[in-house]
Amino acid sequence: DIQMTQSPSTLSASVGDRVTITCRASQSISRWLAWYQQKPGKAPKVLIYQASSLESGVPSRFSGSGSGTEFTLTISSLQPDDFATYYCQQYNTYGTFGQGTKVEIK
Amino acid sequence: QVQLVESGGGVVQPGRSLRLSCAASGFSFSSYGMHWVRQAPGKGLEWVAVISYDGSQKYYAESVKGRFTISRDNSKNTLYLQMNSLRVEDTAVYYCAKGGGIKWLVTYYFDYWGQGTLVTVSS
Repeated sequence: DIQMTQSPSTLSASVGDRVTITCRASQSISRWLAWYQQKPGKAPKVLIYQASSLESGVPSRFSGSGSGTEFTLTISSLQPDDFATYYCQQYNTYGTFGQGTKVEIK
Repeated sequence: QVQLVESGGGVVQPGRSLRLSCAASGFSFSSYGMHWVRQAPGKGLEWVAVISYDGSQKYYAESVKGRFTISRDNSKNTLYLQMNSLRVEDTAVYYCAKGGGIKWLVTYYFDYWGQGTLVTVSS
């Protein structure tokens, strides 16, 4: 099974900050990686697929990069609506999620 | 717009069965693979099962293999999850999700999600 490890688990930041979340796969997944945002009591929402493709309707302050085993999600300027939990997910072999990164207000 | 509406959750005793449904609208349901993903209370996300656009391919997470069955009725635009031999550790919100990407292909990322239905397994 492919394991996904996100870091950090919790991130404290302020509005306007540049935020980076890292995701590591236990083996190469090429670019078969997605990022999701989830708010309390709501379903996840896809932000990025195929490592760096922005889902339609997602603000351009979100970007993704990486390939193989190392990936990052970057929020260029954190907005109030961005405080949430973020999950990476590999879909090279079935689908495995990272444990999540909670972005909270500093 | 795409809508996925789950139903069928509730409280059930260990060892019993439950069937979840997901009514889909706003897209060509019969053209896309569909998934179930679950989230235990306060925990992360776990992919559960997938079914291809025509129902010919089905795959399951090891944790539910042999106990859960995914199915679909394209004439009713509805996805199902039959859950047998339920365990306490199956307690979770179950989400129905549409496979992302192009039609006909079974892909494992999810571009639309339902609101979820809570399944509680407890004696």
